[in-house]
Amino acid sequence: DTGVSQNPRHKITKRGQNVTFRCDPISEHNRLYWYRQTLGQGPEFLTYFQNEAQLEKSRLLSDRFSAERPKGSFSTLEIQRTEQGDSAMYLCASSSSGGPGTDTQYFGPGTRLTVL
Amino acid sequence: SQELEQSPQSLIVQEGKNLTINCTSSKTLYGLYWYKQKYGEGLIFLMMLQKGGEEKSHEKITAKLDEKKQQSSLHITASQPSHAGIYLCGADNAGGTSYGKLTFGQGTILTVHP
Repeated sequence: DTGVSQNPRHKITKRGQNVTFRCDPISEHNRLYWYRQTLGQGPEFLTYFQNEAQLEKSRLLSDRFSAERPKGSFSTLEIQRTEQGDSAMYLCASSSSGGPGTDTQYFGPGTRLTVL
Repeated sequence: SQELEQSPQSLIVQEGKNLTINCTSSKTLYGLYWYKQKYGEGLIFLMMLQKGGEEKSHEKITAKLDEKKQQSSLHITASQPSHAGIYLCGADNAGGTSYGKLTFGQGTILTVHP
């Protein structure tokens, strides 16, 4: 049984560089979510996809952030011109669309981004 | 927007002790999820509650949702060092417009001393 996987697990970059993270959801799940978590806080929603359609984006997702899910399978999250405030754990989750309150989100191990 | 408040923020117990973590919502809870997180890792799903008064158990962990569906509690009986970690409650605001999106509390850090 393959869970949600994320790559890389850790990324250290210099301010101003671009970074891209990848998420592979559980294979039969049509929904995919991105969250960001900073130290001492719970995860905060960034965006979500149903199949290949990006249905919602948080105000946290500035113009420097872009997410894609081109074939409705894996997803990428790109951050352009990284800033030190982007340092966080980026979590991906996936679920099926079983209806309100019934679709449990399963999380990947996260990608920890450090911007120097 | 929905806000979740967890209490306590941190908890240190001796192995074998019982403990309770609370999660209070500013709005009606349509789906309440409990997750556990080890430091630096992803979230592990524990339980989901939907109905007022619902109670679920898994091994030594019991979660309840109150009748008014605005508060949930997570109770651990006879705690073990393996229970240590960060416990997070998350709410599915499916009754509103944010279908499927979870809003999380700030987490409760549990330390269990052997």
